[in-house]
Amino acid sequence: DQQVKQNSPSLSVQEGRISILNCDYTNSMFDYFLWYKKYPAEGPTFLISISSIKDKNEDGSFTVFLNKSAKHLSLHIVPSQPGDSAVYFCAAQTGANNLFFGTGTRLTVIP
Amino acid sequence: DAGVIQSPRHEVTEMGQEVTLRCKPISGHDYLFWYRQTMMRGLELLIYFNNNVPIDDSGMPEDRFSAKMPNASFSTLKIQPSEPRDSAVYFCASSLRTPGEQFFGPGTRLTVL
Repeated sequence: DQQVKQNSPSLSVQEGRISILNCDYTNSMFDYFLWYKKYPAEGPTFLISISSIKDKNEDGSFTVFLNKSAKHLSLHIVPSQPGDSAVYFCAAQTGANNLFFGTGTRLTVIP
Repeated sequence: DAGVIQSPRHEVTEMGQEVTLRCKPISGHDYLFWYRQTMMRGLELLIYFNNNVPIDDSGMPEDRFSAKMPNASFSTLKIQPSEPRDSAVYFCASSLRTPGEQFFGPGTRLTVL
């Protein structure tokens, strides 16, 4: 039973444009959300997080939006660059409990 | 800091053999996590430790899997006996606190023939 879902397995975007990666969750008890980026043959690396008391968090070219009523979060990358091509995972957590990961979205930024 | 260190990076073994995966967390991190990544199920938490004590092992698939953390700088994940369906990438991660950012190792790609 997947509590965190990324319904788009892949996304292609032109360099310089905006990339929007989406994530849905089912557990209303989740109160902390994270995005990770993964390159081949490497472990996931942390990108950005957001607490459930906020609806937006921004860090450089990355912005995460949280819509609690819709149980939806998204990651915006502006501008998208070829180096951003990777697999992006969203993850959710309740308090001190473990992280639940989505299945990932492969982003390809086309030069 | 060298980050989370995992060994071996690749392991190929035959069905029925014992497999031991190793992890060294980032110094000072109190939490250690073991994950498994497969195409079908993505990243799944197997077990996590806090201050060397197992807290939640509900993700361990069956009794063939066991994990230990004898001290703050070392953990093992053992599969005995291994089966072809155990083939996956196994990640170790550590963190200062939870909830919070987890730092992942490079993973061990396990192939069971």
